[in-house]
Amino acid sequence: QQPVQSPQAVILREGEDAVINCSSSKALYSVHWYRQKHGEAPVFLMILLKGGEQKGHEKISASFNEKKQQSSLYLTASQLSYSGTYFCGTKVDDKIIFGKGTRLHILP
Amino acid sequence: DAGVTQSPTHLIKTRGQQVTLRCSPKSGHDTVSWYQQALGQGPQFIFQYYEEEERQRGNFPDRFSGHQFPNYSSELNVNALLLGDSALYLCASSWRLASGGVRTDTQYFGPGTRLTVL
Repeated sequence: QQPVQSPQAVILREGEDAVINCSSSKALYSVHWYRQKHGEAPVFLMILLKGGEQKGHEKISASFNEKKQQSSLYLTASQLSYSGTYFCGTKVDDKIIFGKGTRLHILP
Repeated sequence: DAGVTQSPTHLIKTRGQQVTLRCSPKSGHDTVSWYQQALGQGPQFIFQYYEEEERQRGNFPDRFSGHQFPNYSSELNVNALLLGDSALYLCASSWRLASGGVRTDTQYFGPGTRLTVL
């Protein structure tokens, strides 16, 4: 039931773009995206509640493909502050199950 | 507006001991979920409390128990500690129904309690 995230890690130079994918073997009803910096709590980025929904937060946006049971997080023109581990979470029986995370490191 | 708070920040225990962690939800939130996060892993769902009752439970043994108080704050208790219980314990709060009656599941995490079992 745990969603699968890919890639496991990404290294980018400042200004480059990145895509983080989240897929599930079961039907997805909502997808939650969080970012966690080292030693800190996960911070909510956005939630997608229905298929086809797209949302944006600064230069970070996400899409939700209900049929493919997957969501993607897009980071455009990455900034140093985007470094951290990104988690997607999927709702299963009224609880949120998180993936193992994607570590993103931005180089100046 | 105070966010989610947790105490203590750090804790060191020995095997076999018992520990209690505390969480105060964000103002206006009525639901508290607890997660265990091992190093390099995503948060693992332990259980969720709403209206002072455990509503959902993850794959954790009965050594893990909790409580929610009338003011929505919550405690996580772990008995007979094992070395493998060493982790960051996160509390997340949410609200079951927004003012407009639309259910939302957005969870806001506290800073966590780092538990080390020796």
